[in-house]
Amino acid sequence: QVHLVQSGAEVKKPGSSVKVSCKAYGDTFSRYSFNWVRQAPGQGLEWMGAIIPALGTANYVQRFRGRVTITADESTNTAYMEVRSLRSDDTAVYYCARGGDSNGYYHPYFFDYWGQGTLVTVSS
Amino acid sequence: EIVLTQSPGTLSLSPGERATLSCRASQSVSSGYLAWYQQKLGQAPRLLIFGTTTRATGIPDRFSGSGSGTDFTLTISRLEPEDFAVYYCQQYTSSPYTFGQGTKLDIK
Repeated sequence: QVHLVQSGAEVKKPGSSVKVSCKAYGDTFSRYSFNWVRQAPGQGLEWMGAIIPALGTANYVQRFRGRVTITADESTNTAYMEVRSLRSDDTAVYYCARGGDSNGYYHPYFFDYWGQGTLVTVSS
Repeated sequence: EIVLTQSPGTLSLSPGERATLSCRASQSVSSGYLAWYQQKLGQAPRLLIFGTTTRATGIPDRFSGSGSGTDFTLTISRLEPEDFAVYYCQQYTSSPYTFGQGTKLDIK
């Protein structure tokens, strides 16, 4: 059974950085995509970017390029997302989500397993 | 960027009734790359449907998806108490992989 476990809640000052981790249990890590989706309080879901560990390169939504870095460590089956220059509107729950694989239907950008979410609060 | 518009914003129904949720795309979602998720308060989203029509593992058959091109529908045939939640559609045809704004299904 696949299980994604994220790091705990963070409180950060504006202008600082945060790095959230997502450790995968239960299945082959490298061949799947690991995506980051955020949800501001009371709002909808926003895809931020993803990495496929076997390929090593990440892709991002245009508006996050240069401020967000997604990485993966195959030795520990862990994906990471770092957000720099935090602003108050970055306050959100950040989810990692695995690219979908169901009965031979594989696509990196629908999401079959999700982490529990990490609340990042940006406040002075 | 493909914009997904869900309607209605809120749907008030009773257990046992049929729910029909709509998702309209600003441009064609090719290859049927449309998914639906359910989210309950304080929880992560849960995959219900992918490829427009295929139920994810463990999803009851009262949930069904349909549609093509720019118009998609999630139908819940007979609402159970645990189905009252927020539902999101998502396209994975082209980056950025966008979500609709959600439909809240609440108890009448």
